[in-house]
Amino acid sequence: NAGVTQTPKFQVLKTGQSMTLQCAQDMNHEYMSWYRQDPGMGLRLIHYSVGAGITDQGEVPNGYNVSRSTTEDFPLRLLSAAPSQTSVYFCASSFLTSGGRETQYFGPGTRLLVL
Amino acid sequence: GENVEQHPSTLSVQEGDSAVIKCTYSDSASNYFPWYKQELGKRPQLIIDIRSNVGEKKDQRIAVTLNKTAKHFSLHITETQPEDSAVYFCAAGGTYKYIFGTGTRLKVLA
Repeated sequence: NAGVTQTPKFQVLKTGQSMTLQCAQDMNHEYMSWYRQDPGMGLRLIHYSVGAGITDQGEVPNGYNVSRSTTEDFPLRLLSAAPSQTSVYFCASSFLTSGGRETQYFGPGTRLLVL
Repeated sequence: GENVEQHPSTLSVQEGDSAVIKCTYSDSASNYFPWYKQELGKRPQLIIDIRSNVGEKKDQRIAVTLNKTAKHFSLHITETQPEDSAVYFCAAGGTYKYIFGTGTRLKVLA
């Protein structure tokens, strides 16, 4: 069980370039999400998905696209990178236990630098 | 918009003392309140959570209290140890959609 995996670990982009951050999970979780983490601002939800084919916006969706064609994969696309998107990006997958716990498992993160 | 305020931003305690971190939330529909611990360079990990129908929950040295009327909840760590040093985040929401606090950097001094 690899859990939640993310690639790449680190990426440098130039302003205006596009790229896709990959996220995959092998736990058969229905729910997946993308967060960005900036110093002093905690984790902010970008997009989330409650199942294959279903996505929705979080707090800070502008400049990002997502799709969910399979349960396992939830890629995040930066359409035209800007310096303000320099951040650490975490993908997470979740399930609901019978006891009501909504446990989120986070991936190791992708550190993105936009010049 | 909805927000979660977390205090203090930094907290230093002597080993063996207690630490308390407080959060307030604005969305009265929130019904789930998890706490995450993040060590330097690592991913956040869930340490404890509480549902809105419960006022207090304890797990060994860690406890969480919730006052839904006042919209605030707190994390209590007793008998702190050096390995408790990390950044702690509260969150409020439900059904997989949360707003996170800005984090508290806890330093446990040996």
